Amino acid sequence: AQSVTQLDSQVPVFEEAPVELRCNYSSSVSVYLFWYVQYPNQGLQLLLKYLSGSTLVKGINGFEAEFNKSQTSFHLRKPSVHISDTAEYFCAFSGTYKYIFGTGTRLKVLA
Amino acid sequence: DTEVTQTPKHLVMGMTNKKSLKCEQHMGHRAMYWYKQKAKKPPELMFVYSYEKLSINESVPSRFSPECPNSSLLNLHLHALQPEDSALYLCASSQFSSGERRYYQETQYFGPGTRLLVL
Repeated sequence: AQSVTQLDSQVPVFEEAPVELRCNYSSSVSVYLFWYVQYPNQGLQLLLKYLSGSTLVKGINGFEAEFNKSQTSFHLRKPSVHISDTAEYFCAFSGTYKYIFGTGTRLKVLA
Repeated sequence: DTEVTQTPKHLVMGMTNKKSLKCEQHMGHRAMYWYKQKAKKPPELMFVYSYEKLSINESVPSRFSPECPNSSLLNLHLHALQPEDSALYLCASSQFSSGERRYYQETQYFGPGTRLLVL
């Protein structure tokens, strides 16, 4: 069965520190992978996606993610976070006609 | 313009009321979606419209009735809702739906949502 797991429900981190949000998927076929961010009281916004090609994907707002097929992971990283990065982050991958979302990771950036 | 707009922002309704949520996009996208999102959960897909035709209904109760009057507009008509239907309702659009592709790879653009409270 296809699934995606975000192991951390909450990640607190101090401002200007690096952060990694973890995402692992389970699928026996080719996948496309996405990270979306949801700021408070807003809809979701695409941060980045992996469809093919380079396994290191750069997105908006200084985020990047690395597709690792052997570890079935697509972890999201940012070298230095800002208070404004406080939000919910969802990893998703491609089902047959829709996204399969992870349960989300709440990133809390502390001053 | 990469904006999806939704009205109203907030809605409070009783269980006997009839109300509608509205969604609009002007990006020329041919697929539009309704999602329901409960607090601290990921969005759950409800409906997909592709080229103004309903293509996916994720076994949503009939008290939710979607409508796509044209390629830019998507409505969700609500009738006889239950308190457990209280949630954030998100609209999204993408250039295409799954179409002929075997696995979904579209970028979806989400609206800010309508926060619904059913009393």
